[in-house]
Amino acid sequence: AQTVTQSQPEMSVQEAETVTLSCTYDTSESDYYLFWYKQPPSRQMILVIRQEAYKQQNATENRFSVNFQKAAKSFSLKISDSQLGDAAMYFCAYMTGTASKLTFGTGTRLQVTL
Amino acid sequence: EAEVAQSPRYKITEKSQAVAFWCDPISGHATLYWYRQILGQGPELLVQFQDESVVDDSQLPKDRFSAERLKGVDSTLKIQPAELGDSAMYLCASSLAGDREGAGELFFGEGSRLTVL
Repeated sequence: AQTVTQSQPEMSVQEAETVTLSCTYDTSESDYYLFWYKQPPSRQMILVIRQEAYKQQNATENRFSVNFQKAAKSFSLKISDSQLGDAAMYFCAYMTGTASKLTFGTGTRLQVTL
Repeated sequence: EAEVAQSPRYKITEKSQAVAFWCDPISGHATLYWYRQILGQGPELLVQFQDESVVDDSQLPKDRFSAERLKGVDSTLKIQPAELGDSAMYLCASSLAGDREGAGELFFGEGSRLTVL
């Protein structure tokens, strides 16, 4: 079974600084996707960034980028120039290429301080 | 902007009572999901529909939970009878079926928070 592990229950970053959230996963599949989802307080969860396993280039979306280390099964999220609106729960998620079911990690709560 | 609608937002019930949650996905989204999120944990898939058909309900406690999507549009998740351990956020999400371009992009509702006393 596929598992997703987020070992940082909470992280804190100062506004305008950079923070990296960690995620590891376990799978025997070769075709899969990895995701970071953001869940702001009392608001719906939204997709932040997606990485396809067969793509070697790390995905980027504006201030958000990933470090995808396939051999190490590691998938970290870097947030640059952190903003107060980045404060949220961040979930790492996995999906095989043949199904549309997401498996989520336990989440990392990110605080952004002035 | 189209959103996934869920109701009720909050529900308090006593154990052994019945409770139901409703979800209206984004128009045109063939795939609908119900996830359960216990406080401090990540969402766990309960059931996945493709149009009106169940694709995956392997984690749905079928002795007390049921889900339907009769016309392939909106969906209802029912719990009967509710137990203390069912207290959680119930999230509905939808997605377009199909190509790899949008794979894994789920659109979530705001959730229904259930408290069982």
